[in-house]
Amino acid sequence: AQKVTQAQTEISVVEKEDVTLDCVYETRDTTYYLFWYKQPPSGELVFLIRRNSFDEQNEISGRYSWNFQKSTSSFNFTITASQVVDSAVYFCALSEAESGNTPLVFGKGTRLSVIA
Amino acid sequence: EPEVTQTPSHQVTQMGQEVILRCVPISNHLYFYWYRQILGQKVEFLVSFYNNEISEKSEIFDDQFSVERPDGSNFTLKIRSTKLEDSAMYFCASSEFRSDTQYFGPGTRLTVL
Repeated sequence: AQKVTQAQTEISVVEKEDVTLDCVYETRDTTYYLFWYKQPPSGELVFLIRRNSFDEQNEISGRYSWNFQKSTSSFNFTITASQVVDSAVYFCALSEAESGNTPLVFGKGTRLSVIA
Repeated sequence: EPEVTQTPSHQVTQMGQEVILRCVPISNHLYFYWYRQILGQKVEFLVSFYNNEISEKSEIFDDQFSVERPDGSNFTLKIRSTKLEDSAMYFCASSEFRSDTQYFGPGTRLTVL
């Protein structure tokens, strides 16, 4: 069965610090997709990134970077030089492709607080 | 930039009443979803919809729930007889293809009294 674990419930950092949010997943499929979504205090879910299981290249987008390692079933998210606007709950999610399951399975989320 | 919209943003209802939550997916998307998030908890899948029929549903999506695409733009979630435990944020999402990125609406906060 598919599962996403975000072991860090809450993280608090001071502005300009780097922070890494951990995500570990479980799946039996060899083809799957991993996602990160941001949920700011206003409540909406904002898409950040989608990676497929065959693409292990790390990705950088501005201050955001993602480290995908199939060997450890992890898809970690790093924010460099954090800002107050980064304060939000961040969800990692998994979607399996082979079994026909397309729904997203979410982790419990990590609440990030960036203090000025 | 196209986005998913949802109405109302907040719905308050009495236990046992029927509610209909409305969503307008992104216009060229073919797959539609409903998720819910009980306050402070993770986002949970309810149902997916493609080609005018349910393609998958979770255990949460029991007989009191139904979905419909009444016209070419709207996608609705109906809860027939609301319970206190239905209080949650309900998110609609859509994607262009199966397994593609799902884009979420802003959510409808449902409060059942």
